[in-house]
Amino acid sequence: EAGVVQSPRYKIIEKKQPVAFWCNPISGHNTLYWYLQNLGQGPELLIRYENEEAVDDSQLPKDRFSAERLKGVDSTLKIQPAELGDSAVYLCASSPELAQFNEQFFGPGTRLTVL
Amino acid sequence: QKEVEQNSGPLSVPEGAIASLNCTYSDRGSQSFFWYRQYSGKSPELIMSIYSNGDKEDGRFTAQLNKASQYVSLLIRDSQPSDSATYLCAVKGGNTPLVFGKGTRLSVIA
Repeated sequence: EAGVVQSPRYKIIEKKQPVAFWCNPISGHNTLYWYLQNLGQGPELLIRYENEEAVDDSQLPKDRFSAERLKGVDSTLKIQPAELGDSAVYLCASSPELAQFNEQFFGPGTRLTVL
Repeated sequence: QKEVEQNSGPLSVPEGAIASLNCTYSDRGSQSFFWYRQYSGKSPELIMSIYSNGDKEDGRFTAQLNKASQYVSLLIRDSQPSDSATYLCAVKGGNTPLVFGKGTRLSVIA
C-alpha cells in the first residue's frame, strides 16, 4: 500500500514570494491533515479535512495561508506571501474515514526555507 | 490549552537495556494515545497506539496507560542503536485534534 505522498520535498524561496505544497493521502483515507513542525517541536495542526470539507482550520493563519481539497482526495496548501518565520517542515497526514481512534499516517514532509 | 509534556532528553541507554519514555497530558477527556518515532530529517512514524488503561505489547515495545494519573509511557526492551530517534507522544480527545508533545530524544549507545 502506498503511503502519503508529498511534493516538493524541499523548497527554498525568498520572503514575500508565494509557495504551494501538494499532498496525496493513502488511498481510501477520507480525512486529511496539514501540520507544521518547527525544529525541536511536535507537529501542530493547521487544518483538517473530512472529504472536501475543512472541519478544523482554527490554527490556520488565514491572512496568508490557504488550503483546498477540491475532489476530496489530494490537497494543496499555499502560503502567500511567505515570511521568514514560515520556515519549517510542512507535514501532511491521513486517516481512514471511520478510524474511531484516529490513527494518523504522515507523509515525508516538505522542508520550507524562507530567505 | 490542552498540553502534552515530555522530557526533551537526551535519554541515553546502553545497547540491550530497557528505555523508558514518559508522557503526561492535561486533558482528562483524552481517549486515544499514540507514540510516534521520528528519525532526524524524517517524518513521524506511528509505532504504538493505546486506548484503555494497562499495558499493550508489540514486539520490543510496550505502551502503558494510566488515565487516573494522566500518564502514558513507552518501554523499549533490548534497545538497539537503530532505536535512536525522537519519540513523540500524541494525545486525542473525542472531538479534539491530536496534540503532540515536543518529543524525547533517545540515544542508544553501542
